Order: sequence, then structure tokens, then C-alpha cells
Amino acid sequence: NFMLDQPHSVSESPGKTVTISCTRSSGNIANNYVQWYKQRPGSTPTMVIYEDNQRPSGVPDRFSGSIDSSSNSASLTISGLQTDDEADYFCHSYDRDTWVFGGGTKLTVL
Amino acid sequence: EVQLVESGGGLVQPGGSLRLSCEASGFMFSKYWMNWVRQAPGKGLQWVANIRQDGGEKYYGDAVKGRFTISRDNTKNSVSLQMTSLRVEDTGVYYCAWGGFWGQGVQVTVAS
Repeated sequence: NFMLDQPHSVSESPGKTVTISCTRSSGNIANNYVQWYKQRPGSTPTMVIYEDNQRPSGVPDRFSGSIDSSSNSASLTISGLQTDDEADYFCHSYDRDTWVFGGGTKLTVL
Repeated sequence: EVQLVESGGGLVQPGGSLRLSCEASGFMFSKYWMNWVRQAPGKGLQWVANIRQDGGEKYYGDAVKGRFTISRDNTKNSVSLQMTSLRVEDTGVYYCAWGGFWGQGVQVTVAS
């Protein structure tokens, strides 16, 4: 089994760009797709990135995903930050037939 | 439109049982694995269990193994989670999930 490690919190100003990392503890990050979910308080998580770097319909292109084998991590980048982006973000991947989630990162847009 | 609607949550005493259900629509239910994910108050997401298309394979998170049982009925497009020997730490919102589509969640509270 592996774990996905995320920073507890990040903050940035409106209009700026922020990157949230998700580091896999063992095994190659490229072995299994990574997804990213956004969750506002009291709401259901919604997917913003799937299969490492694909955006679901309706997600603005300000959201992008990538993986980096050298650091064994995935990243979610949000450009042109808006106050509406303030939320918790979770990365997710697969361990054979099971799901693994990162601990979540609280994004503050101030 | 994909819809996942959970039901069956509520308040139960430690050691008690509860059965959650999830009715799916808008996709070919019988062709896909289904998952349950939970979230304790103020905490992150925790994968609970999943089940293969035909119900022949099932996997569980370590925290629930031996206490929870996942099942499905492809004739009714539904997946269930039978929870027994419930603990206070099982409290949270339980979500039914298919890929990136999640239900609205159902609250489970284990308290005396």
C-alpha cells in the first residue's frame, strides 16, 4: 500500500497561480492515474482533474494537472485564482483494486 | 444525467448495525465497479469498499474489514453497504461513487 501526501494548506491572492502537490510514498506515480477533487464546506466533492491531466466538462482551463516522476508526485495548478476557488482539494489514485486519497489541502484565496 | 442517491443513514449506538443503499441511474450500472467513500467530521476522504461489476470481487479498507459488507443488485441498479459492530469513529458522511460521480452523501452517526 502507498500513501498520498499533500500540504495541509496553501494560500494565494486573487489572480495569482497556485500549485498543490501530491506525493506518492512508494511505487511510481505514473503507474496509476491521479484525480483531483474540489470540496467546499458542506458539499460533495467534485472532480476537477482526472487521469492525471484531463478536465471534466465544465471545469475551466484555469485548472490543470500534471505528474512528475522525478519527485514521484502529481500537481494541481490553478491559475487566475478566484475567490470561488477557495476550498479543500484532494488527490486520489488507485492501489490495484482499491482507492487511495491524499489528506487534502485547504486553499485560501485572500 | 448520472445520479447516485444514497439512503439509510441515521443515528445508531456503538455496536449497532446500519444498512446504506445507493440507487444509480444515467449509466450502465452493471458494467462498472462501484465504491463507497466516507468522510469523518472535519476530516479527509477515506475509501471504504468497492465491488466488481458482477459482485464477484469485493475489497475493503482496513478500518472496516470484517465489519462492513458491500453488495449490489444489478436488476435494481443499486449498491448497498451493510455496516455492523459500528464504532464512534465510523461517524461521518458516506458517499456512493462511480468514477468521478458521487452521490450527495448520507450521514451516519454512531453515539450513545
